Amino acid sequence: GDSVTQMEGPVTLSEEAFLTINCTYTATGYPSLFWYVQYPGEGLQLLLKATKADDKGSNKGFEATYRKETTSFHLEKGSVQVSDSAVYFCARLSGGFKTIFGAGTRLFVKA
Amino acid sequence: DAGITQSPRHKVTETGTPVTLRCHQTENHRYMYWYRQDPGHGLRLIHYSYGVKDTDKGEVSDGYSVSRSKTEDFLLTLESATSSQTSVYFCAISDRAQPQHFGDGTRLSIL
Repeated sequence: GDSVTQMEGPVTLSEEAFLTINCTYTATGYPSLFWYVQYPGEGLQLLLKATKADDKGSNKGFEATYRKETTSFHLEKGSVQVSDSAVYFCARLSGGFKTIFGAGTRLFVKA
Repeated sequence: DAGITQSPRHKVTETGTPVTLRCHQTENHRYMYWYRQDPGHGLRLIHYSYGVKDTDKGEVSDGYSVSRSKTEDFLLTLESATSSQTSVYFCAISDRAQPQHFGDGTRLSIL
């Protein structure tokens, strides 16, 4: 079935470091892809999305490019801040309305 | 933010008692979902709804039932709560082929 695999955490970085969180998905069709972020005590929030191959989603300095050839949707940010500390979930649309989530990657950013 | 309200936000109850969690939306979205989130298990889909009175099971539906009598309300009921159902419960909403939007969660403790 449809699935999403993302790198295990936690990921610990110093402020202003470069961030990459890897994500791959099963290639049944050409699903919309998403990154969500969850801050402590809150629900998941949509961070960015891409709906077709080569699309680049971006928001708040985060970017991810829909790579059909490698079935990947890696999340990147050039310079992380302490306020970026959170759990990040990669996800894909499935069956037209369901969403399949990865296991989540916890990010800690040290000042 | 999408208009999703979960109630209660916190609840402590005893094993064997019935519990109902409510999700209310003001977005008129067709699809509604209940998830539970546990350490080491990520997000798991319990039940979902694709319209008024139209519901279906997710991957962890045992011990849970749902009802949707109005577009805006989706209720999750634990008929006889067990300690294994201690969790954080999230409601989400979406339209077809669109990303889901999440509520702030209900923290449920069953003693």
